[in-house]
Amino acid sequence: KAGVTQTPRYLIKTRGQQVTLSCSPISGHRSVSWYQQTPGQGLQFLFEYFSETQRNKGNFPGRFSGRQFSNSRSEMNVSTLELGDSALYLCASSHGQNTGELFFGEGSRLTVL
Amino acid sequence: AQSVTQLGSHVSVSEGALVLLRCNYSSSVPPYLFWYVQYPNQGLQLLLKYTSAATLVKGINGFEAEFKKSETSFHLTKPSAHMSDAAEYFCAVSVRGSYIPTFGRGTSLIVHP
Repeated sequence: KAGVTQTPRYLIKTRGQQVTLSCSPISGHRSVSWYQQTPGQGLQFLFEYFSETQRNKGNFPGRFSGRQFSNSRSEMNVSTLELGDSALYLCASSHGQNTGELFFGEGSRLTVL
Repeated sequence: AQSVTQLGSHVSVSEGALVLLRCNYSSSVPPYLFWYVQYPNQGLQLLLKYTSAATLVKGINGFEAEFKKSETSFHLTKPSAHMSDAAEYFCAVSVRGSYIPTFGRGTSLIVHP
């Protein structure tokens, strides 16, 4: 069974630009979560989608948004990039049942210059 | 709300020595507990999980953890460290009804030859 796939793996943007990251979950998984990982803040929860609906949301500004498609694939978008947005963005999928067990992708490393 | 505290941001051991990574949790209801491992430039991989069955949980790569309700702890151990165990380890907690686990800040395991 294929794992969680994130694209792109690495990208460099400049301040003010926007970026879209993609995540394909494990087949059959209906929940997709996004996390931001930085050395200073650790793992921070962005949002979770289940069956195309945002079910949970973390404490991030509105510049961070996401969506989920009918095939469970998900995208997240960050607009008006800031230097502090440089991070590893991790996507995780699950069946959506409430055990909290997640399956992570390898992440998209965003560098903002 | 639940929370996790990982004691020690860095733990250093010699190859062949016992590995002990500490995790304490806070939860008002019975928790689900997890340990994840992250190797450089990769996503998180589930090592083991506690979901209210046996209190001693065995995971991959020779790791195990014991759920101790009286101490609200879920420490991760391995009898003999290997160089390949060098990585970042995250403890996480969730509860029934919450789809989003709460992660600790992580502990970096350093293994010396």
